[in-house]
Amino acid sequence: EAGVVQSPRYKIIEKKQPVAFWCNPISGHNTLYWYLQNLGQGPELLIRYENEEAVDDSQLPKDRFSAERLKGVDSTLKIQPAELGDSAVYLCASSTSLADTQYFGPGTRLTVL
Amino acid sequence: RKEVEQDPGPFNVPEGATVAFNCTYSNSASQSFFWYRQDCRKEPKLLMSVYSSGNEDGRFTAQLNRASQYISLLIRDSKLSDSATYLCVVNPNTGGFKTIFGAGTRLFVKA
Repeated sequence: EAGVVQSPRYKIIEKKQPVAFWCNPISGHNTLYWYLQNLGQGPELLIRYENEEAVDDSQLPKDRFSAERLKGVDSTLKIQPAELGDSAVYLCASSTSLADTQYFGPGTRLTVL
Repeated sequence: RKEVEQDPGPFNVPEGATVAFNCTYSNSASQSFFWYRQDCRKEPKLLMSVYSSGNEDGRFTAQLNRASQYISLLIRDSKLSDSATYLCVVNPNTGGFKTIFGAGTRLFVKA
């Protein structure tokens, strides 16, 4: 069974530029998560989807971050404009439900110069 | 106080040693708990779920203490391959709260 797929794996951009990350969850997983992980820290939840509905986006900086999960499958996370402090690893995870094991993708390592 | 706190690391232990990590949580409504393992520059992967009655998987034992609001992970007979960061995860299982990861505890097992 295919795992969570993310792209790109690495992205280097200059500050103020836009950037987008893509995630394809495990087939049949209704719950999708986007996390941000800084070096030496645990993942921090940005947004959680149940199917196509964003049910928890309280930690998403809405002035520059946006996300969508059209049709309740793939998801895209966007930053516009990017700031130096956005440099981090962006992880996507999916699960069958909120109570179940989360399976993570390999992440996108973003560097903002 | 952080919502989920883990033992500060790193833990440096010799092969064959027994090592234990603790993780405390502040939200008494939390319902499910997990330990994840994360290797350097890799994604977190589930190590084991933590059940109220405690559970064991080979050399790994996880326990939950709801009264004191902590979970623990015990690793017996440590192997070099156990070197990693161990993340505890607290999940509310209700719509009003979010899954929270601890900052992780780094373990180095030496030959």
